[in-house]
Amino acid sequence: QVQLQESGPGLVKPSQTLSLTCTVSGGSISRDSYYWNWIRQPAGKGLEWIGRIYNSGSTNYNPSLKSRVTISVDTSKNQFSLKLSSVTAADTAVYYCAINLQWGDWFDPWGQGTLVTVSS
Amino acid sequence: QSVLTQPPSASGTPGQRVTISCSGSSSNIGDNTVNWYQQLPGTAPKLLIYSNNQRPSGVPDRFSGSKSGTSASLAISGLQSEDEADYYCAAWDDSLNGVVFGGGTKLTVL
Repeated sequence: QVQLQESGPGLVKPSQTLSLTCTVSGGSISRDSYYWNWIRQPAGKGLEWIGRIYNSGSTNYNPSLKSRVTISVDTSKNQFSLKLSSVTAADTAVYYCAINLQWGDWFDPWGQGTLVTVSS
Repeated sequence: QSVLTQPPSASGTPGQRVTISCSGSSSNIGDNTVNWYQQLPGTAPKLLIYSNNQRPSGVPDRFSGSKSGTSASLAISGLQSEDEADYYCAAWDDSLNGVVFGGGTKLTVL
């Protein structure tokens, strides 16, 4: 059973770059058929899909965030990462990593989430 | 403003049947399958229904999903207090080339 765990700084200053990592356990990130996703949720609000990466390196990003987002994979560490540049207070949210299969766009499982606050 | 439209709230008494709607367009629900997630307070979302009407292992058959045209519904029968949670629908959007979510529905068990 694949499990995911997010990690990274809980506080980021405005205009800086938010960097998070999702560590995969119970399976290889190099495995075919998996997309590795990032999703976020501001406090008291709904879910927003940020983007995903396939193990081939191909990516899809939310058009509203595309200019600021980079998702990458580190196979040596069995991790994938999110970088979001030029952050503002509007980027304050709980960030989740999640898996979807190549043949299905549902997310399962999810990580537990990590809160990132953008503040000076 | 979410791409998929859900009612912000729903409620029912124990044992009742409640439904939550999710409205989209031809580029998302109309052309792709719908998935539903349950988010209990303070926890990560959990997959509840996938491919319109399929239940993952471990999800009670009290939960069911359906889709017609550009709309979908989640039905919960035999409502229980532990069903009190936020529910989100989601689908792939061909125009945006990404996943879109509904704004979420907060279900209260009275």
